Amino acid sequence: EPEVTQTPSHQVTQMGQEVILRCVPISNHLYFYWYRQILGQKVEFLVSFYNNEISEKSEIFDDQFSVERPDGSNFTLKIRSTKLEDSAMYFCASRKEGSYNEQFFGPGTRLTVL
Amino acid sequence: AQSVSQHNHHVILSEAASLELGCNYSYGGTVNLFWYVQYPGQHLQLLLKYFSGDPLVKGIKGFEAEFIKSKFSFNLRKPSVQWSDTAEYFCALTMDSSYKLIFGSGTRLLVRP
Repeated sequence: EPEVTQTPSHQVTQMGQEVILRCVPISNHLYFYWYRQILGQKVEFLVSFYNNEISEKSEIFDDQFSVERPDGSNFTLKIRSTKLEDSAMYFCASRKEGSYNEQFFGPGTRLTVL
Repeated sequence: AQSVSQHNHHVILSEAASLELGCNYSYGGTVNLFWYVQYPGQHLQLLLKYFSGDPLVKGIKGFEAEFIKSKFSFNLRKPSVQWSDTAEYFCALTMDSSYKLIFGSGTRLLVRP
């Protein structure tokens, strides 16, 4: 069964450094998402991406964040200058075309900002 | 602001007990509702979803949920839990034409053998 994969599983970085989190969505999916979960808090939506454009983003997704689909398989989330409060679990999800299709989630990347 | 509430944060049951996890939401428009499960060490997986039609939906592994629009609820049920149901359960919704998922805080279920 096809799955969403994410790398790395754990990323440790210094405050102010740039990080790129990588996701490989399911191959025939066209809609891509990033969510995050700060420890002890709810899973929060960050951004959705379709047809090489951001289709929706949350207030959290400020100028420090960007997303890209650099090739036909990867979907990346970049944080330009990490802050302590960016420490969280970041989940990628993908969905295929059609109104009644659910999102499939990856295993997550745990980002620790020191 | 739109929100999803899961009132039970931790539930402990013995095997064969019945399960009901509460989920309420606050939004007056059209919603699509989901229950996701996260088994220990695994990623979020869909248990079941409601888009329209029969408000009683059946999912995988014997789970079902009932959408009661008048109560803004979408409670998850299973008549007889197994040890393997130990996991964290998340209720979530999307609103109108948006596909962003809004999650509840999750319920950790521990089933004792």
